[in-house]
Amino acid sequence: KAGVTQTPRYLIKTRGQQVTLSCSPISGHRSVSWYQQTPGQGLQFLFEYFSETQRNKGNFPGRFSGRQFSNSRSEMNVSTLELGDSALYLCASSRDRGQTYEQYFGPGTRLTVT
Amino acid sequence: KNEVEQSPQNLTAQEGEFITINCSYSVGISALHWLQQHPGGGIVSLFMLSSGKKKHGRLIATINIQEKHSSLHITASHPRDSAVYICAVHRPGGGADGLTFGKGTHLIIQP
Repeated sequence: KAGVTQTPRYLIKTRGQQVTLSCSPISGHRSVSWYQQTPGQGLQFLFEYFSETQRNKGNFPGRFSGRQFSNSRSEMNVSTLELGDSALYLCASSRDRGQTYEQYFGPGTRLTVT
Repeated sequence: KNEVEQSPQNLTAQEGEFITINCSYSVGISALHWLQQHPGGGIVSLFMLSSGKKKHGRLIATINIQEKHSSLHITASHPRDSAVYICAVHRPGGGADGLTFGKGTHLIIQP
């Protein structure tokens, strides 16, 4: 069974631009979550999608948004990029919602904002 | 104070040594995860536990719910175990927003 895939793996953008990251979950998984990892803050929850609906959102500004498609693939978008948005963005999929379901992480997209 | 504290932050040991990484949390939880992150970023889930002890190969994870403490042990450590180990707790209520992460323990195993 193929794992979680994320594209692109690396990205360099300029302040003020916007970016879209993609995540394809493991086949059959319906929940996709996004996380931001920075050296200073560590891993932080961004949002979770299930059945094409955003179920939860972390403490991030409205510039961070996302969506999920009917095939469970998910995208996240960051508009008006700031230098502080430079981070590793990870997505994780699980079969269903809830703490009893293990999360499987993708390799991440490393975003650099200059 | 962070809700999830890990110790030590950094650990360097010799191949073959027994390794212990600790995780303490201050909130009620429904599950605790141990994750492994290699250089390059990919994260692998090692264990998810809500009570007792789990073992997988040379890795052992224990949790004491009353003391709000978990440990990850590595027996007969090997250089390929070098990675960042992250503890994450899942608060009751379900959903990924319940995951709170520790800052991680950077482990280096020298040959």
